[in-house]
Amino acid sequence: NAGVTQTPKFQVLKTGQSMTLQCAQDMNHEYMSWYRQDPGMGLRLIHYSVGAGITDQGEVPNGYNVSRSTTEDFPLRLLSAAPSQTSVYFCASSYIRGRVYNSPLHFGNGTRLTVT
Amino acid sequence: AQTVTQSQPEMSVQEAETVTLSCTYDTSESDYYLFWYKQPPSRQMILVIRQEAYKQQNATENRFSVNFQKAAKSFSLKISDSQLGDAAMYFCAYRGDNTDKLIFGTGTRLQVFP
Repeated sequence: NAGVTQTPKFQVLKTGQSMTLQCAQDMNHEYMSWYRQDPGMGLRLIHYSVGAGITDQGEVPNGYNVSRSTTEDFPLRLLSAAPSQTSVYFCASSYIRGRVYNSPLHFGNGTRLTVT
Repeated sequence: AQTVTQSQPEMSVQEAETVTLSCTYDTSESDYYLFWYKQPPSRQMILVIRQEAYKQQNATENRFSVNFQKAAKSFSLKISDSQLGDAAMYFCAYRGDNTDKLIFGTGTRLQVFP
């Protein structure tokens, strides 16, 4: 099982550049989400989705866009990168509530993004 | 809004000893789920243990156990017989029964000394 696959593992951008972080899962999970991890701040939720065609904002959505055209894929787009977006990004997925209670999140291996 | 607080940024323990990591949370929901995740230097997020709020019995997974105090909104993780491989960041997380979102604490870095 591949689980949750994130690409790339590392990325360096210049201020103002755009890019897309890819996330795919093969577990038929309805719920997918993006977190950013910064020292001393834990993991903060950027955007999430409970199914194809449905997305919603988390705690820190500004500067990021998402879409969910299929169950498997949930890309995160940075439209105009800023140094404040330097972070480690995690994609995570799970079954939604009501289908499997207490379903834990399955995480990708993360993307380290540096914006100069 | 729900919040999760880990008040210990760093902890250390001697190999084979026991250590307890603290976690408190704030919620008005009666049904929810709590998790502990481990993040070793590899950056991978690994589920350690989970607890359903409606269960009074504390969850246990081998050397890992929790002390769940619902009234106090406390969810501490006890690691027994600590091993060098337990060295990692540990995150406490909350998921309410009315949402799919998982809310994390800021983490505790655990060092294990031989």
